[in-house]
Order: sequence, then structure tokens, then C-alpha cells
Amino acid sequence: QVHLVQSGAEVKKPGASMKVSCKTSGYKFTDFYMHWLRQAPGQGLEWMGRINPNSGATTFAQPFQGRLTVTTDTSITTSYMELNRLTSDDTAVYFCAREVSGGSSHFDFWGQGTLVTVSS
Amino acid sequence: FMLTQPHSVSESPGKTVTISCTGSSGSIATNYVQWYQQRPGSAPTVVIYEDHRRPSGVPDRFTGSIDTSSNSASLTISGLKTEDEADYYCQSYDSSTHWVFGGGTKLTVL
Repeated sequence: QVHLVQSGAEVKKPGASMKVSCKTSGYKFTDFYMHWLRQAPGQGLEWMGRINPNSGATTFAQPFQGRLTVTTDTSITTSYMELNRLTSDDTAVYFCAREVSGGSSHFDFWGQGTLVTVSS
Repeated sequence: FMLTQPHSVSESPGKTVTISCTGSSGSIATNYVQWYQQRPGSAPTVVIYEDHRRPSGVPDRFTGSIDTSSNSASLTISGLKTEDEADYYCQSYDSSTHWVFGGGTKLTVL
């Protein structure tokens, strides 16, 4: 079965950086784009960016350009999301999600979510 | 590009409810619309993809549709069960804003 398992909850200071991992199993890692999304407390889902694990090419949502980095390590089928210059507005649950191949542009498997709290 | 959903809907068990998702510009039919169910404390799961298709395991009580006249997509849940109580999000794609979600609709089954 397909599994996406994320790293654990973190507490960060304003101005710091965060890095969340997403370990995958059960499918060929390089065949599917990986996305990162977030959900602030009591709020809706926000798409952040995606990576092509085969080429490393990335696409980011405009609000995150310049402070978001998404990478993969194909040897351990893991994706990483790093967000810099954190503020309290970045307090959220962060999700990785696999994009279905074939052009419908949706997400069929999700990680369990990682709560990141930004607080002084 | 934005997708607008009602903040909340409520209905009784056994009844039918419809959640709308209205596109802000262009045609809602240009790109596929998906619907995700999210229960508290859990990751979303897709219940409708490519406007009207159901993943295996999703009961046929869940139906998706597109109405180009109102530039909206709809998720209809019939024979409501208490287990359907959750937040529902529509999602589509736009060439400039990329992956876009509606603000979510809280479904209460009471």
C-alpha cells in the first residue's frame, strides 16, 4: 500500500526556519509529483508548491516564492519542505500529498500532517 | 482564480444535501474539480475527482457535477449519515494560481 509518513511536530521561534520530511513507500517515487500544502488552525487548505522527484523541478505558489524550498532524496524516497523566515502566520499543519498522474491534477494520498507552531 | 463555498450546511440523517463551489473567473469546466472530505484531526481524502468520478470505496451516495451556466461545481450527498459530518473542500487548477481550494464547507448532520 501507498504510505506517506511525515516527521513530527515542531515549535519554532519567529525568524527561524522549519524543515518537514515526508517518507514514502508502496509506489515508484519518481513516477509521481509530490506537493506540499498547509492548513492554519481553523482555516482551509492552502497549496504551497510541488516537485517533480524525477527532475527536481519545482513550482511554488506566489506567496511562498523566495522562502520555500522543496527537495527530494530519491535514494530514500523522501521529500522535504523547508520554509524560512517564519512568522506566527506560518503556524499550521503541513501536509505532503501525492499528485495523481494523468492530468486531473488532484491528490490521492496524503501524509498525516505535521503541526508547526511558531511562537516566541 | 478563486473558488467560493458556503461556510456551512446542515441537514438531517437520511436527507440529501448539496454543497456548491463557484469559480471566480473563466469557465469552471476548463479544469477538473475535485472534492475532499476532511474529518477533524485527519488529512483530507478525495471523494470526487475529475468533476464526477468516485474513487473506489466512496459510496455512490456521493455525486459530483458541473453547471456551466452558474460556473459552479456541486457535491451532492444523499441518504446522509452521521459519519458524513466533516469539512468538504473543492479543488481545481488554474494556470496562474495553480492548485486552488475553496474555503471549505462544514457539513453538520443532525
